[in-house]
Amino acid sequence: GENVEQHPSTLSVQEGDSAVIKCTYSDSASNYFPWYKQELGKGPQLIIDIRSNVGEKKDQRIAVTLNKTAKHFSLHITETQPEDSAVYFCAASKYGGSQGNLIFGKGTKLSVKP
Amino acid sequence: EPEVTQTPSHQVTQMGQEVILRCVPISNHLYFYWYRQILGQKVEFLVSFYNNEISEKSEIFDDQFSVERPDGSNFTLKIRSTKLEDSAMYFCASSRQGAQEKLFFGSGTQLSVL
Repeated sequence: GENVEQHPSTLSVQEGDSAVIKCTYSDSASNYFPWYKQELGKGPQLIIDIRSNVGEKKDQRIAVTLNKTAKHFSLHITETQPEDSAVYFCAASKYGGSQGNLIFGKGTKLSVKP
Repeated sequence: EPEVTQTPSHQVTQMGQEVILRCVPISNHLYFYWYRQILGQKVEFLVSFYNNEISEKSEIFDDQFSVERPDGSNFTLKIRSTKLEDSAMYFCASSRQGAQEKLFFGSGTQLSVL
């Protein structure tokens, strides 16, 4: 089955710097790659997603890139702010039938220091 | 924004006891999920539910687990005879069109089995 690896497990940056989190996946049939942000005491919230027919997607300070050949995708956060501090999870799924369950990475704890 | 609500937020039980975790998905959503997160580990898929039946389940979701949508608003996860290793944060999620669009997660139920 699918396996998603995520690095680093922790990341500390200064406010205003960029942060990059990387994930690799094993199943070449996976075609949907969301990123979730989890704040303390809350459930994961989708912040951006990308499908396999696209190489890059951007939403304000957040961007995701996908390299299907290498089977890896990355989250880029520019101009980080203290409120970006959270745990970030990458995930992968493949379309099968009417649903496809998400396989998550282990998470990256991002700390943005003021 | 609409929310998935989960109750209780914390549940403590003795090993061997039955527990029911409750969720109210977003009202116009059709797909429902349970995920769990053991402390410090990945968010793991348990089961997906659509059209009043299980559509997919993981190896974790054995005979001790069951799900039910008893009415038009609630979605429950039952663990028949809890084990110590069932201790985890359990997240309910829902979506309109399956796991390849935004999943809305609840805040979770922290289950502690003693």
